[in-house]
Amino acid sequence: DTGVSQDPRHKITKRGQNVTFRCDPISEHNRLYWYRQTLGQGPEFLTYFQNEAQLEKSRLLSDRFSAERPKGSFSTLEIQRTEQGDSAMYLCASTIARTAGTDTQYFGPGTRLTVL
Amino acid sequence: KQEVTQIPAALSVPEGENLVLNCSFTDSAIYNLQWFRQDPGKGLTSLLLIQSSQREQTSGRLNASLDKSSGRSTLYIAASQPGDSATYLCAVDNQAGTALIFGKGTTLSVSS
Repeated sequence: DTGVSQDPRHKITKRGQNVTFRCDPISEHNRLYWYRQTLGQGPEFLTYFQNEAQLEKSRLLSDRFSAERPKGSFSTLEIQRTEQGDSAMYLCASTIARTAGTDTQYFGPGTRLTVL
Repeated sequence: KQEVTQIPAALSVPEGENLVLNCSFTDSAIYNLQWFRQDPGKGLTSLLLIQSSQREQTSGRLNASLDKSSGRSTLYIAASQPGDSATYLCAVDNQAGTALIFGKGTTLSVSS
């Protein structure tokens, strides 16, 4: 257990439905990241927050995806009008940004999304 | 665009063998390189982080090296055990020093 939690762990939905995932980072961590991982691939970056500010979004994050981190604590990732291609493991990670560059990122267990 | 490649994609060894996993990256302008372990259906566990100014890091039976100029890193596992069976992922931070860019991983199977 890294201290990063994600909810739910599994989600099955029908195409066209909206889904929302939650991530609770380690409490003192100011940076929070979202990644997506499909079978046989490494995780791919989606977006990240420094406190409550969303600082970078990948081109993978289409307009159907939105992420928030109110008050710089937990974060939510919402996917609207889900498509079968959205089926993947969604991973959250957090870290303390102490120096330029990236410090060790601690990953949660992930939310596995299946779109039927 | 930074690309990370891991070779081999899969590896099977008998218990007790020493082994080396390879990682290469195309852009040497990185800040850090990390090795992670991922068990099936689970999240990632950080194993070792090597800062760009360092050449290697060690933790128990694991030793990771970094040759930034040639764009290569290796993860050495000594005296492998069945519990080491997992997928090992290599990741570097991108030029902006924000998100991690991952390879596809090497799936290791250690038989008893």
